Amino acid sequence: GAVVSQHPSWVICKSGTSVKIECRSLDFQATTMFWYRQFPKQSLMLMATSNEGSKATYEQGVEKDKFLINHASLTLSTLTVTSAHPEDSSFYICSASRRTEGKTQYFGPGTRLLVL
Amino acid sequence: AQTVTQSQPEMSVQEAETVTLSCTYDTSENNYYLFWYKQPPSRQMILVIRQEAYKQQNATENRFSVNFQKAAKSFSLKISDSQLGDTAMYFCAFMITGYSTLTFGKGTMLLVSP
Repeated sequence: GAVVSQHPSWVICKSGTSVKIECRSLDFQATTMFWYRQFPKQSLMLMATSNEGSKATYEQGVEKDKFLINHASLTLSTLTVTSAHPEDSSFYICSASRRTEGKTQYFGPGTRLLVL
Repeated sequence: AQTVTQSQPEMSVQEAETVTLSCTYDTSENNYYLFWYKQPPSRQMILVIRQEAYKQQNATENRFSVNFQKAAKSFSLKISDSQLGDTAMYFCAFMITGYSTLTFGKGTMLLVSP
């Protein structure tokens, strides 16, 4: 168990458009979901943490109005990159944790975003 | 604040050999979890092993085992009988018990060669 999916796996969009990325926990209910950004050959950078039905908690330096996070259910969280610009191009990864297993995080396969 | 340090940016090993990746951490907390995740070229983050700080016994998962030294704040990962599929970036991570946020190290790139 503990499978997390992410969709789409890659997306190319024009500058100024918005892009939505979905993260789903397929076989468990996620009490908390996380969104990360990863630059090439670097570690994961936490962007925000969200609990079902609550507003997301953003890390310092992450623009709330740029990266909209919605956690509508215990199995679905979405990240919307609004008015995307080339500097938003990156690899975005979500993860989900559950109450058991000490809240271990399980990761989605990631979404590669390229903004032209 | 918690910090996780992986002092080996890159390591290489030949197939079937054993390799150890190092990780140290700093925290004032007493109850926490430690993790090793691997990220192969596909970039999918995969949980390798988890250690609960209150457990003295070192965690083991098949060819993967840890050497957890709580007093020294050290958490190394040993990979036995290395396989080509073990080629990946390995991240050490820390989490305070009761919370869910992970603190990651910068990672160690492991290359397994034939």
